[in-house]
Order: sequence, then structure tokens, then C-alpha cells
Amino acid sequence: QVHLQESGPGLVKPSETLSLTCTVSGGSISTDNWSWIRQPPGKGLEWIGYLYYGGSPNYNPSLKSRVTISLDTSKKQFLLRLSSVTAADTAVYYCARGRANYVQYFMDVWGKGTTVTVSS
Amino acid sequence: DIQMTQSPSSLSASVGDRVTITCRASQPISSYLNWYQQKPGKAPNLLIYAASSLQSGVPSRFSGSGSGTDFTLTISSLQPEDFATYYCQQSYNTWTFGQGTKVEIK
Repeated sequence: QVHLQESGPGLVKPSETLSLTCTVSGGSISTDNWSWIRQPPGKGLEWIGYLYYGGSPNYNPSLKSRVTISLDTSKKQFLLRLSSVTAADTAVYYCARGRANYVQYFMDVWGKGTTVTVSS
Repeated sequence: DIQMTQSPSSLSASVGDRVTITCRASQPISSYLNWYQQKPGKAPNLLIYAASSLQSGVPSRFSGSGSGTDFTLTISSLQPEDFATYYCQQSYNTWTFGQGTKVEIK
């Protein structure tokens, strides 16, 4: 069974770059797609972006200029970088696996989430 | 971007009630619609994918319907463990979530 685990700094300073890692265990990272989602305190879910192995990433247009998602297949990890952060980027960050039902994708495995606070 | 609008934003219901949550897309998305349940402090959990397919392990009291722009999540008989927040999510284009519907105890 696939498990996902987010890791990274819990505190990031304004204007710096947030970097998180999601480690995949129990399955291959070379199939499916891999997403990042976030949830500000007390608010709803916001999809950040996804990446397919061997494919181009797809990002939320509202974050596109600041986001990079990449895969490290040797470590079975996928990575999130979000630059020029502000307090508005404070959130719980989740990683998730996207699976396809023919061409329709859904996120069926999620990490437990990691809290990132942007503050000086 | 495709906007997803859920209604209601919150509802109060009793154990045993039939509950219906709707989700409307700002443009047609065929059946590229998923539903998730989230409990406080936990990650979301997939309930329904492709508008009406029940995810493995999810109780059969949950069902989904709809196509195009209008979708529905129904809980046929609300159980104590169903009090949570529910989100729809479209995967037709750049993915987006609805704002959520909180189901509370009446």
C-alpha cells in the first residue's frame, strides 16, 4: 500500500523560498501523477500543482509564477518549491497521488500534511 | 479557470437523515468530478470519483451523481462518523476545489 510523508521546515521567513519533500513508500513513483495541495488555517483546500513522471508540470495559475514541482525518482520523492512567500502562504501542505480512471484523475492517497508558517 | 461552487456552505442534520450536497461548475466538465471528506486535523479522504464511482472501502450510503455542470453528493442515512467537511474537485482542466460544505450535528 502506498504511503506519502511530507517533510520540510515548519517556519519560513517572508520573501524566502518554501521547500517541501514528499516521500513515497510502498509503490512506484514512476507511474500516476503527484500533487501538492494546501489549506490555510480555517479555510478550504487549494490545489497547487501536479507532475507526471516524464511529463510537464501543471500549476495553479494563481501560483504559477512562484511554484516548481519536481521528481527525484532515485529517492522516490517529489518536491515543492514556492518562492517569495508571504503570510498568505501559511498553511497545511499536503502531497497526494493522482490516479486515473481512464482519463479522469482523482487523488486517492494523501500524506498527513505538514504545517508551514511564514513569519519573521 | 473553472470555478466550483458548493451549496450549502454548511448544514445541520441528525443521525439517520438523508443529506444532499450540490456542486456546480462554471463550465461543463463532463463527469470529471470527485468528492472528498475531511475531518478536523486530518487529510482529505476520497469518497467518489468520476462523479458517481464509489471509492473502494467507502460505505455504500455515499453516492454521487451528475454530469456537465451540476453534481450531487448524497448520504442516504447520516452516521455519527459522517460529520465532517465535504469538498468537490474538478479534474477536467487545471484542478480546482469547491469551497467546502460543513455537515454539523443538529
